[in-house]
Amino acid sequence: GQQLNQSPQSMFIQEGEDVSMNCTSSSIFNTWLWYKQDPGEGPVLLIALYKAGELTSNGRLTAQFGITRKDSFLNISASIPSDVGIYFCAGQTLDSGNTPLVFGKGTRLSVIA
Amino acid sequence: ETGVTQTPRHLVMGMTNKKSLKCEQHLGHNAMYWYKQSAKKPLELMFVYNFKEQTENNSVPSRFSPECPNSSHLFLHLHTLQPEDSALYLCASSPQEDQPQHFGDGTRLSIL
Repeated sequence: GQQLNQSPQSMFIQEGEDVSMNCTSSSIFNTWLWYKQDPGEGPVLLIALYKAGELTSNGRLTAQFGITRKDSFLNISASIPSDVGIYFCAGQTLDSGNTPLVFGKGTRLSVIA
Repeated sequence: ETGVTQTPRHLVMGMTNKKSLKCEQHLGHNAMYWYKQSAKKPLELMFVYNFKEQTENNSVPSRFSPECPNSSHLFLHLHTLQPEDSALYLCASSPQEDQPQHFGDGTRLSIL
């Protein structure tokens, strides 16, 4: 089945630093999504990407849909303590009917004030 | 507040018990999902309902039984669970199956 490789698994950064994480797939996706999950809560959608090469921002967050359609990255600029959490990428293929979302294992972000 | 409400938030049950998890959304979405989230593993899709019809059953053991009485409500009936079923169970919904999903805060399930 489809698998997503998300890296890094965890990150410890100083407040104010920029963060970058990425996901790669062995399959082509039509949609890439990035979610954040805080402790004790469900994942919250951050950014949705629908076109190869698309670059989308949401405040200090920027995500890109890779040209090959097999990868995506998420950048966080000027990190703050509330950025702490687990970030998940997810991809979906829509070529032959709707296939389920495939999730990465997550990147656990810790921000040191 | 995500618009997807799950109850209970926490559940502890014995292996012989029968319980149900409830999910409710009033976002007007037509697709609803059950996921299992275990430590250090990707989210595992369990069931998908689209317009109240089950469209995906991801090889889930029969001790998990979903029910979707209408587009706004989704249940997961549990019976004779195993300790390895302890996990966070997340419900999600989306306008259609090919659109981004919105998650509830989950039910933390512990099997004794």
